[in-house]
Amino acid sequence: SQQGEEDPQALSIQEGENATMNCSYKTSINNLQWYRQNSGRGLVHLILIRSNEREKHSGRLRVTLDTSKKSSSLLITASRAADTASYFCATDDGQGAQKLVFGQGTRLTINP
Amino acid sequence: NAGVMQNPRHLVRRRGQEARLRCSPMKGHSHVYWYRQLPEEGLKFMVYLQKENIIDESGMPKERFSAEFPKEGPSILRIQQVVRGDSAAYFCASSPPTTKNIQYFGAGTRLSVL
Repeated sequence: SQQGEEDPQALSIQEGENATMNCSYKTSINNLQWYRQNSGRGLVHLILIRSNEREKHSGRLRVTLDTSKKSSSLLITASRAADTASYFCATDDGQGAQKLVFGQGTRLTINP
Repeated sequence: NAGVMQNPRHLVRRRGQEARLRCSPMKGHSHVYWYRQLPEEGLKFMVYLQKENIIDESGMPKERFSAEFPKEGPSILRIQQVVRGDSAAYFCASSPPTTKNIQYFGAGTRLSVL
């Protein structure tokens, strides 16, 4: 069954605005990651947050993790046209396996 | 340092043919993972391999699909007797032995079955 589920499925904003995407998951996890996928391309790792962390920053990215609610959010500040992509959260399966369990992604469009 | 290399980027097969997808991990990475992505969906785990060993194949279909990562050469995902439902993007990822949490992805192979 699906582990991570992103919300919203699609998001369209103006350049310069902030974009927030949410991810929910079902089982206990050791860490949660966010990846970006440009159309027709592979995935690029953005940030990893461990289960004992609540917030993490990387440049214009801010990730939060609430393990009590089994949810995470990705905030992109001061968005740019180049941020247009699909964003996926991925978790481990909580049982020690190495596989990543992905959500269906949020398609983000930044309008110039 | 080249990233994860997958080839071919696009592969067209007719129903019943075989598809072979190749993946060369990043230098120094000994762990390889294969994922499948259907249109408008997230990636689904298929198989996890180390050199000459299949560690976890819980996501592999029971029939027609196989994977290997030989001592020398790239990892191969093989699909025999392809059907239209096999049309998808297949991504390979690799990770070093010390940081298995973060996986580095290739650009994928897009398989189209006619």
